[in-house]
Amino acid sequence: PMQESGPGLVKPSETLSLTCTVSGGSISRSGFYWGWIRQPPGKGLEWIGSIHESGSTYYNPSLNSRVTISVDTSKNRFSLILTSVAAADTAVYFCTRGISTPYASGKWGQGTLVTVSS
Amino acid sequence: EIVLTQSPGNLSLSPGERATLSCRASQSVSSNYLAWFQQKPGQAPRLLIYGASYRDPGIPDRFSGSGSGADFTLTISRLEPEDFAVYYCQQYDRSPGTFGQGTKLEIK
Repeated sequence: PMQESGPGLVKPSETLSLTCTVSGGSISRSGFYWGWIRQPPGKGLEWIGSIHESGSTYYNPSLNSRVTISVDTSKNRFSLILTSVAAADTAVYFCTRGISTPYASGKWGQGTLVTVSS
Repeated sequence: EIVLTQSPGNLSLSPGERATLSCRASQSVSSNYLAWFQQKPGQAPRLLIYGASYRDPGIPDRFSGSGSGADFTLTISRLEPEDFAVYYCQQYDRSPGTFGQGTKLEIK
């Protein structure tokens, strides 16, 4: 299983930071892609990006300049940083695990709502 | 980027009926890297089908996927009450991974 954690409220222009803790298996040497997908309230799904256990990262070009995904193998978790947030970044953020390509998402965390508001 | 268009947007059917959901891509999806997800209110999406036609473990065999290239279909052979939800297709062939806008399957 995977569990997201982080602040539920972020102010406009500040940085959103979320962590996904993975249990039941090691995040390293797994061959998986560990990623993030978001869903604004009442809307569809948007792929944000992913990181391979090799360290290679893949980002959605629409967010590329604001996104960083990293892995902390010592704590078996990975993280999302999104800078300069605005109201449009308000969404439920899901962490995911995929195989075969960086854009796959076979397993999902339960999701965490992040609201951008002053 | 590959744009996925799902149809219909809303589908009203009764339990026991057959549901056919469509997903059309703006470009061919290589290696049939096309997945289907089911999402219920307040829950994360659940993977049903990957590789266009392979059921994820634990998914009932009333769910089936078909298609190739740019046209894909999810079929639910006999609807159960728990099947009423929103369904999304996703291509994981190339960047960025993209989702369709969803089909809402409602009880008639």
